[in-house]
Amino acid sequence: EAGVTQSPTHLIKTRGQQVTLRCSPISGHTSVYWYQQALGLGLQFLLWYDEGEERNRGNFPPRFSGRQFPNYSSELNVNALELEDSALYLCASSLGTGGVSYEQYFGPGTRLTVT
Amino acid sequence: AQSVTQPDIHITVSEGASLELRCNYSYGATPYLFWYVQSPGQGLQLLLKYFSGDTLVQGIKGFEAEFKRSQSSFNLRKPSVHWSDAAEYFCAVESGNQFYFGTGTSLTVIP
Repeated sequence: EAGVTQSPTHLIKTRGQQVTLRCSPISGHTSVYWYQQALGLGLQFLLWYDEGEERNRGNFPPRFSGRQFPNYSSELNVNALELEDSALYLCASSLGTGGVSYEQYFGPGTRLTVT
Repeated sequence: AQSVTQPDIHITVSEGASLELRCNYSYGATPYLFWYVQSPGQGLQLLLKYFSGDTLVQGIKGFEAEFKRSQSSFNLRKPSVHWSDAAEYFCAVESGNQFYFGTGTSLTVIP
């Protein structure tokens, strides 16, 4: 069974640019989660999508946005990049909401560097 | 404020020694609790989880964790550490449809 996949693996952008990160969940999973893992800060919850709807978002500005497609894959968009957006962006998927379905499976991440 | 605290940034243990990684959380209700491991160059892998019931949960790779409501803790333990356990360990909490991770504990295993 294929795991969660993310693309691209690495990305270098300059301040003010926009970036789109992509995530494909495990087959059969309907929930997708996005996290930011900045150096020394652990994982910060960004967004949660389930069945195409945004279910919740963490404490991030509106320039962080995303969407989930009918095939449950997801995009994370970051506008007006700032230096502090440099981080590893992790995507996770789960079967759905509630109970054991909260077990999240993580992808390898996209390393974003903003210069 | 809601938070997950892993007070030990870095721990070094000898191979074969026992291990305990601490995790404390601050939430009103009993949340769902998790431990993840992140090995170099690899994604996060779920070690174990607690939703309800028996407060001592068993996970993969010989790990276990105990939920103590009175102490708001969910400490991870392993009786005998292997060199391959060297990694970053994260405690996580789900509460109110929000997910919170601790800042992680880096484990070094010396021969």
